Amino acid sequence: EADIYQTPRYLVIGTGKKITLECSQTMGHDKMYWYQQDPGMELHLIHYSYGVNSTEKGDLSSESTVSRIRTEHFPLTLESARPSHTSQYLCASSAGGRVAGANVLTFGAGSRLTVL
Amino acid sequence: QKEVEQNSGPLSVPEGAIASLNCTYSDRGSQSFFWYRQYSGKSPELIMFIYSNGDKEDGRFTAQLNKASQYVSLLIRDSQPSDSATYLCADNTPLVFGKGTRLSVIA
Repeated sequence: EADIYQTPRYLVIGTGKKITLECSQTMGHDKMYWYQQDPGMELHLIHYSYGVNSTEKGDLSSESTVSRIRTEHFPLTLESARPSHTSQYLCASSAGGRVAGANVLTFGAGSRLTVL
Repeated sequence: QKEVEQNSGPLSVPEGAIASLNCTYSDRGSQSFFWYRQYSGKSPELIMFIYSNGDKEDGRFTAQLNKASQYVSLLIRDSQPSDSATYLCADNTPLVFGKGTRLSVIA
């Protein structure tokens, strides 16, 4: 059973709309991540957080923004969606720390966004 | 910027053979490496991680790490059609993934 939840799973929306992709985890993990992946293509890190009120941009420039007000919640927002934002967005979390394997990622099922 | 390089494949092996997947990395300071498997249309799932030089075995899977040469590999023994997927190599913090190698096991 998944311990990290993403909603919506699928979203089709028109250009210019504001969207928020939700991600919640019940494992008490400090570290959370957003990845973007086009079909058959590589995973790109777009945002990450090491704890409450901590957010960083990843290696792929993204027009999206994130927030981390609660440990369990890491939403991603696009203020004005465009067709170029069409992609799969994967949320992940890890415990963090120095213990071996502390950075093993648990992924959510993903949110597939289509912008018309 | 840290990079993790993988041969994108596809790599085709017959059922029962050994599949060998390789990965090189640019950051000499990287300490841990992870192998994930991703089935088409699904999210990645962890196969195993390794942080010490040498081999680490888990069932049919063996990860190998050589920090001097900056490469990490994954061997899959007795490959099964159900092993057909994309295999992703990743280093540690923050987790940067390689492009993945598509493996096809032919029955």
